[in-house]
Amino acid sequence: DTEVTQTPKHLVMGMTNKKSLKCEQHMGHRAMYWYKQKAKKPPELMFVYSYEKLSINESVPSRFSPECPNSSLLNLHLHALQPEDSALYLCASSNTVSGESYNEQFFGPGTRLTVL
Amino acid sequence: KQEVTQIPAALSVPEGENLVLNCSFTDSAIYNLQWFRQDPGKGLTSLLLIQSSQREQTSGRLNASLDKSSGRSTLYIAASQPGDSATYLCAVKVSNQGGKLIFGQGTELSVKP
Repeated sequence: DTEVTQTPKHLVMGMTNKKSLKCEQHMGHRAMYWYKQKAKKPPELMFVYSYEKLSINESVPSRFSPECPNSSLLNLHLHALQPEDSALYLCASSNTVSGESYNEQFFGPGTRLTVL
Repeated sequence: KQEVTQIPAALSVPEGENLVLNCSFTDSAIYNLQWFRQDPGKGLTSLLLIQSSQREQTSGRLNASLDKSSGRSTLYIAASQPGDSATYLCAVKVSNQGGKLIFGQGTELSVKP
């Protein structure tokens, strides 16, 4: 099973709402990632978790708050977002982050977020 | 700073043609290079991953090559089909940056019946 699942598929929220995105994988991967993708642009890395610990934060605004409750789950908590945060949010996982090991990244289908 | 470039940005071919997509990167200190496919509004599907010590990988009608010294990779698609229409992205995993992938801007491929 090489599947990464994400819920919800679509999310519309107001600027004062609090919502969460969820990502799950059952491949035994120990690295999980959040990416943001705007239309016609490549994905941009937001966060990396390695063995349930945050290892990379690409200077993401604090209105995005990641959480890794266990090795299979990754959440992204959203609060007080801006309309420019509307994008496709992609989750990915890989075996590890170690550069010397075989660690193909597998992506989920994404959550389409619209902030009104 | 690693930069990844994909040429062309868009490509339209008739069904049945063999085609080559290009990816170049500025810093040869990479761990691997991964080719992805993305359909509109969807997630990324991994097509091929080439480790830095490898020269090529093959999967079905796809063949990806890697020349680290020249900073280039190509994705060869044989006997293209309309179902191959999608955006193709290459990404390099840079050394010592904790799993971070640097993506190219993508090539939007359209295969006409």
